[in-house]
Amino acid sequence: EDKVVQSPLSLVVHEGDTVTLNCSYEVTNFRSLLWYKQEKKAPTFLFMLTSSGIEKKSGRLSSILDKKELFSILNITATQTGDSAVYLCAEGRAGNQFYFGTGTSLTVIP
Amino acid sequence: GAGVSQSPSNKVTEKGKDVELRCDPISGHTALYWYRQRLGQGLEFLIYFQGNSAPDKSGLPSDRFSAERTGESVSTLTIQRTQQEDSAVYLCASSSLAGAYNEQFFGPGTRLTVL
Repeated sequence: EDKVVQSPLSLVVHEGDTVTLNCSYEVTNFRSLLWYKQEKKAPTFLFMLTSSGIEKKSGRLSSILDKKELFSILNITATQTGDSAVYLCAEGRAGNQFYFGTGTSLTVIP
Repeated sequence: GAGVSQSPSNKVTEKGKDVELRCDPISGHTALYWYRQRLGQGLEFLIYFQGNSAPDKSGLPSDRFSAERTGESVSTLTIQRTQQEDSAVYLCASSSLAGAYNEQFFGPGTRLTVL
């Protein structure tokens, strides 16, 4: 079964640290790679990546996709306590379906 | 503008009872998805609707699960004869169009607990 795998499963850092979250996928009708932040219940959209090597950036967050090696990373610089959340990665495929990883739980300690 | 809303926010039911969960998508969004998220797990696709096309039901885990949507409006997810393993958060998302290039907007979810 094709899978989206995220690592690490959980991470605890101090405010100001930089973190890198990983997401690997298996190419089966790949169309897009999406990142979401989930704090309570509703995931909120961060980035959609479709092309290799093009960095998407929003404030302290950035993400990039490597379609050759089949992975994406999400970087957060100068972390803040408000960054504490579960970060979900999803692969969008032909057929209009999205396959989610189990997420990385990030805790930022003051 | 209003986002995706879901009701109820929490539902506790006894094993064997039927439950109905509701999702109100963003106005004008033609695509609507249902997901299940068990504790500590990722989102598991259940079903999606695109306009008036036949829904993709390939993710429904058993015939106890069904969903309806009339046109581009409200959707209901029904679970019949609930089992304890149905306990999870049920998330609904809508997007302007179905497809892997279209961002999904999620509702706050319904937390279902089956005793």
